[in-house]
Amino acid sequence: AQSVTQLDSQVPVFEEAPVELRCNYSSSVSVYLFWYVQYPNQGLQLLLKYLSGSTLVKGINGFEAEFNKSQTSFHLRKPSVHISDTAEYFCAVFTGGGNKLTFGTGTQLKVEL
Amino acid sequence: DGGITQSPKYLFRKEGQNVTLSCEQNLNHDAMYWYRQDPGQGLRLIYYSQIVNDFQKGDIAEGYSVSREKKESFPLTVTSAQKNPTAFYLCASSIAGVYNEQFFGPGTRLTVL
Repeated sequence: AQSVTQLDSQVPVFEEAPVELRCNYSSSVSVYLFWYVQYPNQGLQLLLKYLSGSTLVKGINGFEAEFNKSQTSFHLRKPSVHISDTAEYFCAVFTGGGNKLTFGTGTQLKVEL
Repeated sequence: DGGITQSPKYLFRKEGQNVTLSCEQNLNHDAMYWYRQDPGQGLRLIYYSQIVNDFQKGDIAEGYSVSREKKESFPLTVTSAQKNPTAFYLCASSIAGVYNEQFFGPGTRLTVL
């Protein structure tokens, strides 16, 4: 069965500093990987996705992620965060079996002045 | 504007009562999903439907029921058999093929008193 691990439940960071949110998955087959963002009391919005091709994926709001097959990771990065980036971020994986996404437990990013 | 609507935003029910959560989409998507979100647990799939008049159980279907009589609508009933129904419920839809982006509604927060 596929699984997704987001090791950091909370990440505090100062405004304009860089940030990395970690995501590891377990699967021995080809995967599709996603990052979603959730602002308080709202639904989720897609930030970016990796289906195939270039391992560096660029998304909305200046975020990017790198797919690393050997380390089974798909970490999310932003070189300079803004207060408005404060939200919860979810990594998700689909491996083709069961026809459904598996979500991680989420990482709460808190940007401080 | 195209999107997904969920109603109501907040819902209170007494223990032992069934309650139905509404989800409507005008994106012409074939697939629809229901997730449950609890703090620290991420999103867990309750039910999903890839076509009208057909749906499949997700990871935590016990105590829930759904119907898919119209392409636009995918209501979720939380029955009295669900032992711990208080949670945030999210509906999503996508083009058929789970590697496609899922679009989320704003969610319904259900509190059972």
